Amino acid sequence: NAGVTQTPKFRILKIGQSMTLQCTQDMNHNYMYWYRQDPGMGLKLIYYSVGAGITDKGEVPNGYNVSRSTTEDFPLRLELAAPSQTSVYFCASSYQSAGGVDTQYFGPGTRLTVL
Amino acid sequence: QKEVEQNSGPLSVPEGAIASLNCTYSDRVSQSFFWYRQYSGKSPELIMSIYSNGDKEDGRFTAQLNKASQYVSLLIRDSQPSDSATYLCAVKEADSSYKLIFGSGTRLLVRP
Repeated sequence: NAGVTQTPKFRILKIGQSMTLQCTQDMNHNYMYWYRQDPGMGLKLIYYSVGAGITDKGEVPNGYNVSRSTTEDFPLRLELAAPSQTSVYFCASSYQSAGGVDTQYFGPGTRLTVL
Repeated sequence: QKEVEQNSGPLSVPEGAIASLNCTYSDRVSQSFFWYRQYSGKSPELIMSIYSNGDKEDGRFTAQLNKASQYVSLLIRDSQPSDSATYLCAVKEADSSYKLIFGSGTRLLVRP
């Protein structure tokens, strides 16, 4: 299994440009998440999904959109990029274990700079 | 607002010593707690989870939970330079079965 994969690894955007960060998992996990991590900070939840066709906002959703058409894929769309969106973006997925507690597995991250 | 607090560090310990990392959380009814390790430029990886009061040991790692004090800690015995990383504490939201709140992390430096 490849686990959680993300593309691209690095990207520089100009202010006002748009892009899609790709995330794919091959573990058949129901839950998927997008986080951003600013330097020296923890992870902030942007959006999450509990299954194909179901998404919801996290703590910092403004300026982002998501879709979940399949179990495997959970792309994150940035519209009208702003310098405040310069960050490292992590995608994660999780399952619900028999004990009702899940473990989140993270992708390698996308480092985005908006100039 | 639900919060998870950690000292940012760096916490510097000599090789072979015990490193003690601490975390407090604001949501009194939280039930599940996690420690993730994050090497510089890499993604977080789960090293320990704990759900009940007391200690949980896994190799050189021991997680300790005190729900009454809303406090969770991670002890690393016989610290190695390879343990140098940022350790993120995460708490599952009480009203969610899957959402985590992360602390900002404690940077650990193990001196050879």
